[in-house]
Amino acid sequence: DADVTQTPRNRITKTGKRIMLECSQTKGHDRMYWYRQDPGLGLRLIYYSFDVKDINKGEISDGYSVSRQAQAKFSLSLESAIPNQTALYFCATQRTAGANVLTFGAGSRLTVL
Amino acid sequence: QKEVEQNSGPLSVPEGAIASLNCTYSDRGSQSFFWYRQYSGKSPELIMFIYSNGDKEDGRFTAQLNKASQYVSLLIRDSQPSDSATYLCAVTRTSYGKLTFGQGTILTVHP
Repeated sequence: DADVTQTPRNRITKTGKRIMLECSQTKGHDRMYWYRQDPGLGLRLIYYSFDVKDINKGEISDGYSVSRQAQAKFSLSLESAIPNQTALYFCATQRTAGANVLTFGAGSRLTVL
Repeated sequence: QKEVEQNSGPLSVPEGAIASLNCTYSDRGSQSFFWYRQYSGKSPELIMFIYSNGDKEDGRFTAQLNKASQYVSLLIRDSQPSDSATYLCAVTRTSYGKLTFGQGTILTVHP
């Protein structure tokens, strides 16, 4: 099983719908991140959490919300999806000590029509 | 100015050549520098990282830091077609932990 699991892997939805992307991890890492990737724009940080009680906005948090249900679970929600939120979304985890290496999930491809 | 910038490419090199990828960063307080490789439709995977105190070599890959000019390079020796991918540079302040990524450079190694 993957260390960082994202569900769903692919989702097509319509404008205005609420969407939740889920991320769970078995690495025991405290820190979790949600990134968005668009062609030519690299990875942009949406939200991050350093522990269960800590939630922080990234550079592009507008239109998104998150929930850290447990150390192992970090969900990203789009309350009312819009077409420009069509993108590839990655969850990542990071240990607290040592090098700040990120371990990524396989990604969730979201299409908003 | 973006915090981390890369030439989006594509960079095309022949098989067996050295591929040189560069990344500039704006925050002089950056302490850790990462190179990730990403195949099309896949998640990024770590190639290597370096701290601000030195370069690193790992097999065919070498990461070099030029602090004065604020750029970090990734050299790939004896490039192979399987190296064809997008290479993402990321930097962070060690004490903070949050990585900031560049837009990535597409590398194509042709036989």
